[in-house]
Amino acid sequence: AQKVTQAQTEISVVEKEDVTLDCVYETRDTTYYLFWYKQPPSGELVFLIRRNSFDEQNEISGRYSWNFQKSTSSFNFTITASQVVDSAVYFCALSTTQGGSEKLVFGKGTKLTVNP
Amino acid sequence: DAGITQSPRHKVTETGTPVTLRCHQTENHRYMYWYRQDPGHGLRLIHYSYGVKDTDKGEVSDGYSVSRSKTEDFLLTLESATSSQTSVYFCATAPGMWGEKLFFGSGTQLSVL
Repeated sequence: AQKVTQAQTEISVVEKEDVTLDCVYETRDTTYYLFWYKQPPSGELVFLIRRNSFDEQNEISGRYSWNFQKSTSSFNFTITASQVVDSAVYFCALSTTQGGSEKLVFGKGTKLTVNP
Repeated sequence: DAGITQSPRHKVTETGTPVTLRCHQTENHRYMYWYRQDPGHGLRLIHYSYGVKDTDKGEVSDGYSVSRSKTEDFLLTLESATSSQTSVYFCATAPGMWGEKLFFGSGTQLSVL
């Protein structure tokens, strides 16, 4: 069965600090997709990134970066020089096709608070 | 952004009453999903649809049913609402290819008293 673990329930940092959100996944599939979504206090869910299992290149988008390591089954998310607007709940998700149908599983989320 | 509308946005109901939540999309996406979000549990899949009249159960489907008679509409019904179904419900859609990102609606806050 597939599983996503976000061990950090809540993180609090001061503005301009760097912060890393951890995501560890479990699957027996060799082909899968990993995602990060952001849920700001307003409540909507916003897609941040998708990575397939064959692409282990790290991704950088502005202050955001993602480190995908198949050897440790991790897909960690780093925010550099955090800002108050980064305060949100962040979800990691795993998509596989176990049994021939797509399964998308979310982690429980990490609540990030960035204080001024 | 994908046009996904959930209705109602808020609802308060009593235990034992049936409740139907509606998700309407204008993107012609093949896949539609219903999730519930609860503190400490993240997002959990209730049911999903991979086409008109094609639906399947998710991990927390007990007490819920769905219907999809048109591509654009996906209904979630709580057959007899219970307090444990108090939650925020999100609808999501995807174009259809496996591994596509999801587009989410704004959510429905449901309170069962």
